[in-house]
Amino acid sequence: NAGVTQTPKFRVLKTGQSMTLLCAQDMNHEYMYWYRQDPGMGLRLIHYSVGEGTTAKGEVPDGYNVSRLKKQNFLLGLESAAPSQTSVYFCASSYLGRTETKWGYGYTFGSGTRLTVV
Amino acid sequence: AQSVAQPEDQVNVAEGNPLTVKCTYSVSGNPYLFWYVQYPNRGLQFLLKYITGDNLVKGSYGFEAEFNKSQTSFHLKKPSALVSDSALYFCAVRAYGGATNKLIFGTGTLLAVQP
Repeated sequence: NAGVTQTPKFRVLKTGQSMTLLCAQDMNHEYMYWYRQDPGMGLRLIHYSVGEGTTAKGEVPDGYNVSRLKKQNFLLGLESAAPSQTSVYFCASSYLGRTETKWGYGYTFGSGTRLTVV
Repeated sequence: AQSVAQPEDQVNVAEGNPLTVKCTYSVSGNPYLFWYVQYPNRGLQFLLKYITGDNLVKGSYGFEAEFNKSQTSFHLKKPSALVSDSALYFCAVRAYGGATNKLIFGTGTLLAVQP
């Protein structure tokens, strides 16, 4: 009963380095999302996916890429990290809700990845 | 454009007193509204939702929220606050319809309950 698992939990990068954040869910959810959380700005959507093999840009996509090769996994990549990408990153997943009952609980969130770029 | 506003960065309340965390929204069509809570170094946890039906919805940990369509508000309430309720609270909205199921989050309100 893991829900949404994010790895790693913490990471420190040097400017210009690359890395991939992994999100895995075991609930057979169709939709997956990557958010970043910054003080005073709440959660902002980076990219999202409505199904295996599909991705789309959110509110703040620049500097990030994503892939969803398998339904259960959603990867977030930083090709060349910048200090402005220092943040806490959250992955979430949800049903493709057709009825209020099935849709009802919204998102399930992972526990987050704290990334520092120096 | 959809948006959510949480006008208070922080709410302070004494233990045992009632609490209110405010949320207003702007969305085309009928809204789906949510409250989430985040404890330190944790992910967001679902508290309650409004989809349709009764304007007063009850959720986890004794919280409830009142949907007010005319005021476009969805304030979170609890009759008697506990110190353990201290956390960061987020309001979120999703517009009815559409295939992306995207939620728009407010900036969060830090609830501090003093013993």
